[in-house]
Amino acid sequence: ELKVEQNPLFLSMQEGKNYTIYCNYSTTSDRLYWYRQDPGKSLESLFVLLSNGAVKQEGRLMASLDTKARLSTLHITAAVHDLSATYFCAVDNNNDMRFGAGTRLTVKP
Amino acid sequence: DTEVTQTPKHLVMGMTNKKSLKCEQHMGHRAMYWYKQKAKKPPELMFVYSYEKLSINESVPSRFSPECPNSSLLNLHLHALQPEDSALYLCASSHRTGDSPLHFGNGTRLTVT
Repeated sequence: ELKVEQNPLFLSMQEGKNYTIYCNYSTTSDRLYWYRQDPGKSLESLFVLLSNGAVKQEGRLMASLDTKARLSTLHITAAVHDLSATYFCAVDNNNDMRFGAGTRLTVKP
Repeated sequence: DTEVTQTPKHLVMGMTNKKSLKCEQHMGHRAMYWYKQKAKKPPELMFVYSYEKLSINESVPSRFSPECPNSSLLNLHLHALQPEDSALYLCASSHRTGDSPLHFGNGTRLTVT
């Protein structure tokens, strides 16, 4: 059974600081996704990583994928309050998209 | 703004009721999904339709019955639900299963009394 593990589950950071969220998974999939969910809202796609070594960047967020280590990272640079949300990684396994538990990020002034 | 439209936004139903959740997308996506999300938990996959055929059914109780009338529409029929079925039900679509991100609707918040 595919398992997707994220850590940390909760992250409180100050504005301007950097941090990384980790996503480990248990299969050989090379298709990994990052989503953002604001409280009471739906999920929004952030990044699609489809090959080993893939790196995508959007603003203060950068995602990478190492399929050999079965690890993806979401790096936050110089955090701002607007980044406060829950971030999910998800792995596709034969058309079955499985989500990690989510990382609830709070950015404080 | 989401391009996947779900109705209703909120639904309260008794355990003996029959209701349906509806989902619509006009992006030409050929894969559509139902997810269930409890508070502070990740979405859990329920059903996947690919090219209007049910391709994944994650051992969901029969009180949930999906239907895909055409490539743009997805329904979830509800009957004899339990209070523990109360959750946010999310519909999603993707260009094709496997290598494209999911586009989520805003969800239907279901309360079973």
